Amino acid sequence: EAGVTQSPTHLIKTRGQQATLRCSPISGHTSVYWYQQALGLGLQFLLWYDEGEERNRGNFPPRFSGRQFPNYSSELNVNALELEDSALYLCASSGLGDNQPQHFGDGTRLSIL
Amino acid sequence: GEDVEQSLFLSVREGDSSVINCTYTDSSSTYLYWYKQEPGAGLQLLTYIFSNMDMKQDQRLTVLLNKKDKHLSLRIADTQTGDSAIYFCAESMAGGSYIPTFGRGTSLIVHP
Repeated sequence: EAGVTQSPTHLIKTRGQQATLRCSPISGHTSVYWYQQALGLGLQFLLWYDEGEERNRGNFPPRFSGRQFPNYSSELNVNALELEDSALYLCASSGLGDNQPQHFGDGTRLSIL
Repeated sequence: GEDVEQSLFLSVREGDSSVINCTYTDSSSTYLYWYKQEPGAGLQLLTYIFSNMDMKQDQRLTVLLNKKDKHLSLRIADTQTGDSAIYFCAESMAGGSYIPTFGRGTSLIVHP
């Protein structure tokens, strides 16, 4: 069974640009979650999508947005990039329900110059 | 709200047992998870336990839950250099938002 896949592995942008990160969940999982892991800050929850809808959002500005496609894959878009957006962005997927743990991809390393 | 606390570092000798500790605040029914993150990789789910259990064992891993003290531990028997990683504890409230709260992670260093 293929795990959660994320692309690209690395992404280098400059301030003010826009970045698009992609995630494919485990087959059969309908929920996709996005996290930001910045140095020294642990995992910060960004967004949760399920069945194509945004279900929950963390404490991030509106320039962080995303969507989920009919095949349950997802995109995270970050507009007007700032230096502090440099981080590892992790995607996780799960089935829906209480006892469905999240399974993570290896992340996209976003570096802002 | 939920809060999960972990110590930041643990150093052990190869072959010894490692015990990584975590405390959480939610007192209702909850799921508790342990994840492992190796350098340059995402989080790998190691094991999880529901709050109606006291213990769960899986090969070299033993999870102990003290509900009274809201304390969770992960014991790794016969620790190997390949176990060097960051270990995250996470809590998810049953019937809640399905968004786990993660601790900051414990960096386990295994030396020969």
